[in-house]
Amino acid sequence: GAGVSQSPSNKVTEKGKDVELRCDPISGHTALYWYRQRLGQGLEFLIYFQGNSAPDKSGLPSDRFSAERTGESVSTLTIQRTQQEDSAVYLCASSLAVGERGNEQFFGPGTRLTVL
Amino acid sequence: AQRVTQPEKLLSVFKGAPVELKCNYSYSGSPELFWYVQYSRQRLQLLLRHISRESIKGFTADLNKGETSFHLKKPFAQEEDSAMYYCALKGSSNTGKLIFGQGTTLQVKP
Repeated sequence: GAGVSQSPSNKVTEKGKDVELRCDPISGHTALYWYRQRLGQGLEFLIYFQGNSAPDKSGLPSDRFSAERTGESVSTLTIQRTQQEDSAVYLCASSLAVGERGNEQFFGPGTRLTVL
Repeated sequence: AQRVTQPEKLLSVFKGAPVELKCNYSYSGSPELFWYVQYSRQRLQLLLRHISRESIKGFTADLNKGETSFHLKKPFAQEEDSAMYYCALKGSSNTGKLIFGQGTTLQVKP
């Protein structure tokens, strides 16, 4: 079946503009995660959804970042008034459930965001 | 603090040589650890998890609680093993979020 998909694959924007990044998880996966990977660094957790609620937003770096999820499917990560330090690859992952030891997260291909 | 450290950015070996990618973690409690791999132009995928005690593509990783390590090993490297490898720790909350190391690029030379 289809894996996690993300769009766009690449986004170039000017500093100060807003951007929206989209994630389509695997059907039936209730848990959805957003991570960010800056150049030369590991992945940083941003936010987690269980269904369409977000019980853990602890990784969002500032109030310019927000995310929502409709139903138990598509999620959108929005970055307002983008800054150059927002340039990174934004990865989405989904899993069947949370709390089960060893439950695998399946990753999307990522969106590469470049802020000029 | 929960943290994962991968001390090597790049590990270069010849085909057939043994490989050990190092991972150390900081965590109070019973850790859950994973190795993820990203091959060139492919997405990040799970390689193995410590609770399964499995061997995937000839790789194994043993959790050493005394040394707080979860090193990834393979006795004989193959060229197709060349990739970026990430060690990850499942955090203490019930969210399932992963804490990643910075990654190690494994380069297997012919």
